[in-house]
Amino acid sequence: DAKTTQPNSMESNEEEPVHLPCNHSTISGTDYIHWYRQLPSQGPEYVIHGLTSNVNNRMASLAIAEDRKSSTLILHRATLRDAAVYYCILRARAGGTSYGKLTFGQGTILTVHP
Amino acid sequence: DTGVSQNPRHKITKRGQNVTFRCDPISEHNRLYWYRQTLGQGPEFLTYFQNEAQLEKSRLLSDRFSAERPKGSFSTLEIQRTEQGDSAMYLCASSTRDRGLETAHKAEAFFGQGTRLTVV
Repeated sequence: DAKTTQPNSMESNEEEPVHLPCNHSTISGTDYIHWYRQLPSQGPEYVIHGLTSNVNNRMASLAIAEDRKSSTLILHRATLRDAAVYYCILRARAGGTSYGKLTFGQGTILTVHP
Repeated sequence: DTGVSQNPRHKITKRGQNVTFRCDPISEHNRLYWYRQTLGQGPEFLTYFQNEAQLEKSRLLSDRFSAERPKGSFSTLEIQRTEQGDSAMYLCASSTRDRGLETAHKAEAFFGQGTRLTVV
């Protein structure tokens, strides 16, 4: 799977927007961009995913660059419960040896201050 | 539908002992994944089942590790002759009712809370 690069850590204040960046310059045309987060002592939790167009759901928004070499996860109003490790993952199309597995990097540790 | 369930949540074992973990995926999910996570690292893929067939295994899965998914429902992960380096969180995830491979990379994966193994 293609590699992603994320900042090690970011900080935010409660109720402010948070923009979590991810670079994926080697993304292929069929790779989906997935974001997961992991709260302390929990398994990872799906946040959002997209291919080319920006995506919105109840948890967050995903902004994808036109060339798809980068993306940004947007939390519109951070809460203390959003403090977690956020993983940006490129998920390859099934076939060959992929089968849709998730290849996690180190992720970004988000700290939210009250 | 109560989500992905893993048992036990914690396991402490002596080096050299065998351990077995169980994962109950979301009902009717046909895809099941096992991952391992050590402190400060992201989860690492171990193996994948589609129904009862084990279709992919990571090279991390040494000969001491074996996973099964009889009847395509729950899955077990066994570690024989445990070593201290096996200490980690073992995570299970399941995904989709869709049987086609074409959508695997789009589908949301649901993770359990994991089994934390400590080998002493």
